[in-house]
Amino acid sequence: DAGVIQSPRHEVTEMGQEVTLRCKPISGHNSLFWYRQTMMRGLELLIYFNNNVPIDDSGMPEDRFSAKMPNASFSTLKIQPSEPRDSAVYFCASSFYGATEAFFGQGTRLTVV
Amino acid sequence: KNEVEQSPQNLTAQEGEFITINCSYSVGISALHWLQQHPGGGIVSLFMLSSGKKKHGRLIATINIQEKHSSLHITASHPRDSAVYICAVSKGGSEKLVFGKGTKLTVNP
Repeated sequence: DAGVIQSPRHEVTEMGQEVTLRCKPISGHNSLFWYRQTMMRGLELLIYFNNNVPIDDSGMPEDRFSAKMPNASFSTLKIQPSEPRDSAVYFCASSFYGATEAFFGQGTRLTVV
Repeated sequence: KNEVEQSPQNLTAQEGEFITINCSYSVGISALHWLQQHPGGGIVSLFMLSSGKKKHGRLIATINIQEKHSSLHITASHPRDSAVYICAVSKGGSEKLVFGKGTKLTVNP
């Protein structure tokens, strides 16, 4: 398996624009996580899904952020409208439910100017 | 106070030295994870443990549930071990990970 695949690897956008980050989990994994990493706050969980259903979205900063998982092999994290403070590295990870060891993608480095 | 605390924040060692990174947590957990993040940014899971000790090559992870403390040891350190090491816990009953701030390790040749 190629591992967790995220796209794009880098994104630079202007404030106010919509940003969509994409993630393909490892085939067969049924849990998917979106994390954000900043210098100030480190790694934080934004949301996670089990079997395509959102379980905990308490880490989603505000209504500008939304995440979907339409099927077992694809998830998106959308920011609309984007703001400079959203600049961070966004990681997607997947695992087998209950096993809890997660496999991370390479991350998307988002810069909002 | 953070639920997961790591020490030290930064660590510089000479090649060959024995290294210890510590992690303390204040919540009930189902498992503790050690992750490695290289300068390129990718994150790799090193260990997941809920009791005792695990060993992979030169890396050893231990956990003391009563004391809510874990250590990551690296024997015979090498410059390629230079990375940020992150401790994270799965809080009881949830897959949600709570992370420490990380320890930046630099191993000089």
